[in-house]
Parts: sequence; C-alpha cells; structure tokens
Amino acid sequence: GENVEQHPSTLSVQEGDSAVIKCTYSDSASNYFPWYKQELGKRPQLIIDIRSNVGEKKDQRIAVTLNKTAKHFSLHITETQPEDSAVYFCALRNQGGKLIFGQGTELSVKP
Amino acid sequence: EAGVVQSPRYKIIEKKQPVAFWCNPISGHNTLYWYLQNLGQGPELLIRYENEEAVDDSQLPKDRFSAERLKGVDSTLKIQPAELGDSAVYLCASSRGGQGDIQYFGAGTRLSVL
Repeated sequence: GENVEQHPSTLSVQEGDSAVIKCTYSDSASNYFPWYKQELGKRPQLIIDIRSNVGEKKDQRIAVTLNKTAKHFSLHITETQPEDSAVYFCALRNQGGKLIFGQGTELSVKP
Repeated sequence: EAGVVQSPRYKIIEKKQPVAFWCNPISGHNTLYWYLQNLGQGPELLIRYENEEAVDDSQLPKDRFSAERLKGVDSTLKIQPAELGDSAVYLCASSRGGQGDIQYFGAGTRLSVL
C-alpha cells in the first residue's frame, strides 16, 4: 500500500542556518503534497503545498521541491528562527483521495 | 473565519468507560475527517464524511468506535468501551468540498485512558 518515509526524525540547527526535510513515497499516482507544522499541543497547520504539475514552490523562507521521477519531495527552510522549532509532517494525497502522513521531523532551532 | 472547533480539549477516563468527542467544522466545509495521532507519529485517518455520508471508514475499528454527522455539519466520534491503547490525540479536520481541497485541522482532543 501507500507509504511515506520522512527523514530525519530529529533535526537541530543554529539560528540562521537552513533546514531540509525529505520525504519519499511509492505511489506514483499521488498528485498533491502538503507540509504541516505542528507546535507542541497545537493543531497541525498547513505551511506550504505543491501539486504534481510543478517542481518547486516558494513562499518567503519556505520552499518545497518535488521530483516525481524519483518519488521524493523536500521542505527547505532558510534563515531559520527559533519560532520555526516544531514538528513538521509531510503528506501526500493518494489515488483514493486520502492524505497519508509521514512520521514527522522534530526541528529544533538553537539561538 | 472561525477554525475547526473540537471539544473537549482533554479527557481522562478509566478503561472500559465510554467517551465522546465533538467537532464543529469550518462553516461551509462539506468534508469532515477524524484522525488519530499517536505520540510522535503523524495523523492517521479514521473516517471521512462528505456531508452526512461516511465515504471512507476503512480504518475505523468498528467494534468499539462509531461516528456520526447527522445534519452534515457537526460530528461526534465515540469509543465504547475505551481501552488503554486508545490513549492518543483525536484530530478533526475539514475541507471545503471533496477530497481535493486543503484540510484544516482542529486542536484535537487528548484522551488518556487509565
């Protein structure tokens, strides 16, 4: 069945550095790839998404890249700030319309 | 616009007791989802509603879990009886129409079964 592998599970960076989180998947029919940020005890919030007809999307310090051939997509955060510290989940929508989430990456930005 | 509202935020019960969670989706959102989130993991879909119809409940443990969305707006998720392994966060999400739209999540109900 569909599966999303997310790496790394934890990531610690210095403030101002970049952070990259990568997800790989197996279902070639997947066509929508959102990223959610979840702070401790709070709701997951959509931060950026990409559809299968584009390879890259950017929103200020956040960007997502998609390689459909290799079946992986990545989240890039530049100029990280302490408030970027949270758990980040990648997800994809499968052919049946269901969102499948990765295992999460706990990002810690040290001032 | 108000977001997805869930209540209660926290619930502590003893095993074998019943428990219910309530969700009010964003106004105008026809699709409603219930997810289970275990500690340190991503959300997993339990059930999806299109208006009042459950269109995907394949992951819902039907022996003890039930859900309803009678008027196509609010929804309740019930567990009876609860087991220790049910301790988790139960998230509700909604989207405007169909499965292709952005899903907005509620803050969740954290259930502890003792």
